[in-house]
Amino acid sequence: DAKTTQPTSMDCAEGRAANLPCNHSTISGNEYVYWYRQIHSQGPQYIIHGLKNNETNEMASLIITEDRKSSTLILPHATLRDTAVYYCIVRLYTGTASKLTFGTGTRLQVTL
Amino acid sequence: DSGVTQTPKHLITATGQRVTLRCSPRSGDLSVYWYQQSLDQGLQFLIQYYNGEERAKGNILERFSAQQFPDLHSELNLSSLELGDSALYFCASSELQGGISPLHFGNGTRLTVT
Repeated sequence: DAKTTQPTSMDCAEGRAANLPCNHSTISGNEYVYWYRQIHSQGPQYIIHGLKNNETNEMASLIITEDRKSSTLILPHATLRDTAVYYCIVRLYTGTASKLTFGTGTRLQVTL
Repeated sequence: DSGVTQTPKHLITATGQRVTLRCSPRSGDLSVYWYQQSLDQGLQFLIQYYNGEERAKGNILERFSAQQFPDLHSELNLSSLELGDSALYFCASSELQGGISPLHFGNGTRLTVT
């Protein structure tokens, strides 16, 4: 699986958009980008995933650059409950066994 | 609530002992994954089962074993426990054997070995 690079930590004011970047410059054509978050030792929570098009759901938006070498997760109106470690993961599509390989993630602190 | 149920939530045991962690996947999910999270190692993939068969193996110690039963629940057995086995153990499930179906995680079992 391609390696990802994320900032160690970020701060965001409550109510503002949180933009979390991820670099995956060695991504291949059949690898998807996934985002998960983990709130204080709870189980990782799935947020969103995409291949090359931008994606949006009720939690967040995922913007993938045209060359697919980087992406940004956008939380449009961050709240204190969004404080968590956010993981950007590149996952190979094989049609068979497909684990997720977690890195160290970005610790997002949302403040008043 | 992810729909994945793990029991027990907490487990305290002594070195040398054996424990069993249990996972019930989301309804309809055939794949089960086990992960270990310790303070210095992050989230590490241990093993995956699909419909009762082992499908992928990660950094799982020989002292650890897992299985998936016909009703699709899974158990992770940890034996000859050492202090370093203290960690959070997460189970996840997904709809398909592979593909792009997201993994959904339970809230884990916190194992403390004293």
